Amino acid sequence: GQNIDQPTEMTATEGAIVQINCTYQTSGFNGLFWYQQHAGEAPTFLSYNVLDGLEEKGRFSSFLSRSKGYSYLLLKELQMKDSASYLCAVLDSNYQLIWGAGTKLIIKP
Amino acid sequence: AAGVIQSPRHLIKEKRETATLKCYPIPRHDTVYWYQQGPGQDPQFLISFYEKMQSDKGSIPDRFSAQQFSDYHSELNMSSLELGDSALYFCASNPSGRHSGELFFGEGSRLTVL
Repeated sequence: GQNIDQPTEMTATEGAIVQINCTYQTSGFNGLFWYQQHAGEAPTFLSYNVLDGLEEKGRFSSFLSRSKGYSYLLLKELQMKDSASYLCAVLDSNYQLIWGAGTKLIIKP
Repeated sequence: AAGVIQSPRHLIKEKRETATLKCYPIPRHDTVYWYQQGPGQDPQFLISFYEKMQSDKGSIPDRFSAQQFSDYHSELNMSSLELGDSALYFCASNPSGRHSGELFFGEGSRLTVL
């Protein structure tokens, strides 16, 4: 079966750095996506990785290792507005987007 | 910039009633997706359309149907509503066909079934 694992919840301090991990087992791979979703709102696209390595976009970076079926989202200089759920999703060989259950990130002052 | 528009934003129905949700994708986006998201759950893919044809089918119940019209807007029709259908329904579009995972989501339609 297809499976994406992320921690259910993480807590971090304002101004700090947090890393949210995602491991996946899917039938094929056509890219990994990270989305941010505030409670009751729509998911918004954060990043896309299809090749191994680190993609940096401002305070957010995403890393991929295809051989390990592993990705992480790194958030720097955390702000209170970063409190949200972060969803990892993989595009499989059929171009179906397989979603993880999301990691709820709580930022404390 | 124009975003994905969904209507209605909130809908309250009784059991066994029918509901229709509408989605207007971003102009020139040719692919539309419907997702259902329960509280604390990840989005569950229901169905997608590419160039007005159904392209993929997920966990959409037989009681639900959807279509994409000539102007690319899409409608999700839900009949014989059950309590478990209460959820946030998202529509998403992307400009690159089904080969892209970068989705632009609407703000969602919250359906409450009483």
